[in-house]
Amino acid sequence: SQQGEEDPQALSIQEGENATMNCSYKTSINNLQWYRQNSGRGLVHLILIRSNEREKHSGRLRVTLDTSKKSSSLLITASRAADTASYFCATLRSNDYKLSFGAGTTVTVRA
Amino acid sequence: ETGVTQSPTHLIKTRGQQVTLRCSSQSGHNTVSWYQQALGQGPQFIFQYYREEENGRGNFPPRFSGLQFPNYSSELNVNALELDDSALYLCASSWGTSGNNEQFFGPGTRLTVL
Repeated sequence: SQQGEEDPQALSIQEGENATMNCSYKTSINNLQWYRQNSGRGLVHLILIRSNEREKHSGRLRVTLDTSKKSSSLLITASRAADTASYFCATLRSNDYKLSFGAGTTVTVRA
Repeated sequence: ETGVTQSPTHLIKTRGQQVTLRCSSQSGHNTVSWYQQALGQGPQFIFQYYREEENGRGNFPPRFSGLQFPNYSSELNVNALELDDSALYLCASSWGTSGNNEQFFGPGTRLTVL
């Protein structure tokens, strides 16, 4: 079973616009991670946010975490065609060692 | 520093056959985790190897087995293949078993079972 659920399942935006996707999870976590996957290939680690953090930035990426609502969001600002990919959240439960992935959000950036 | 590599890239097998997939971990990493990703789904954890021992296992039957070698490379073996085993198989390497350590993924092996 998958711990995280991304929303929306798919997103289509114009180049230059912002893209926001959300992740909800069910149990308490140690950290939450976001990954990108291009065309069914390997996953690229984007950002890790720990349970005691509320917001992190990395370049054009902004991640928030609300542990009271068991949810996280990933914002990509000023999107580019190269951002077209599937984005997955993965959670590490407390006292666990393995990541649990959601089903992903497919983002298409139109030129 | 070399990244995570996997072989083969693609593989076609028939039901009932056996398959071995290979993963070379990133230089300096001692832990390898394997994931199965069905089409349109997120990766599902199969198992993790640390210091040549299985460190933990997801909800997969015993016909999924693995090995880790002294150089930390790893193999995933699947016996008695079923149609539902068709998926992208990903390995990820890391330093240590903690989920707080970043995992670096390989490009995957696409397995098709006919």
